[in-house]
Amino acid sequence: DAGVIQSPRHEVTEMGQEVTLRCKPISGHNSLFWYRQTMMRGLELLIYFNNNVPIDDSGMPEDRFSAKMPNASFSTLKIQPSEPRDSAVYFCASSLRGALNTIYFGEGSWLTVV
Amino acid sequence: AQSVTQLGSHVSVSEGALVLLRCNYSSSVPPYLFWYVQYPNQGLQLLLKYTTGATLVKGINGFEAEFKKSETSFHLTKPSAHMSDAAEYFCAVNNGNQFYFGTGTSLTVIP
Repeated sequence: DAGVIQSPRHEVTEMGQEVTLRCKPISGHNSLFWYRQTMMRGLELLIYFNNNVPIDDSGMPEDRFSAKMPNASFSTLKIQPSEPRDSAVYFCASSLRGALNTIYFGEGSWLTVV
Repeated sequence: AQSVTQLGSHVSVSEGALVLLRCNYSSSVPPYLFWYVQYPNQGLQLLLKYTTGATLVKGINGFEAEFKKSETSFHLTKPSAHMSDAAEYFCAVNNGNQFYFGTGTSLTVIP
């Protein structure tokens, strides 16, 4: 079975440009999570969805960040405009909702804003 | 409220020595506990998880963890470290809606 698929794997962009990160969760999973990982702050939860509905976006750093999940098999995380401090690895993860269930991570999108 | 504390952001062991990575949790509901490993330039992978039943849980690559309710701990161990175990390790608790991750412990294995 395919795991969580993220694209792009690597992106280098100039400050001020729009960045869109994409995620395809594991088929059948009903929870989707976006995380950001940096050396300074570690692994941070940005937002998560249950059944395509955003449940908690309190981790989204500011209005420049937005996330959507138009259907059960696709989600985007958009940064507009991007800034150098947004440079990080962004992980998408999915799971079946429920305490017993495992969360599965994608390989990450490595973003560098110059 | 749920939270996870990992003591020691960096741990170094010699190859062949015991690995012990510490994790303490707080949870307002019965805890479901997980250990994940992250190898360089990769995503997080599940090592093992505790849900119910036997408190000693065995995972991949020779790792195991023991759930101790009285100590609110879920420490990860491996009897003999291998060079390939060098990675970042994350403890996590799931409350049914979302996962709460610790800050991670970087394991270095010295030849």
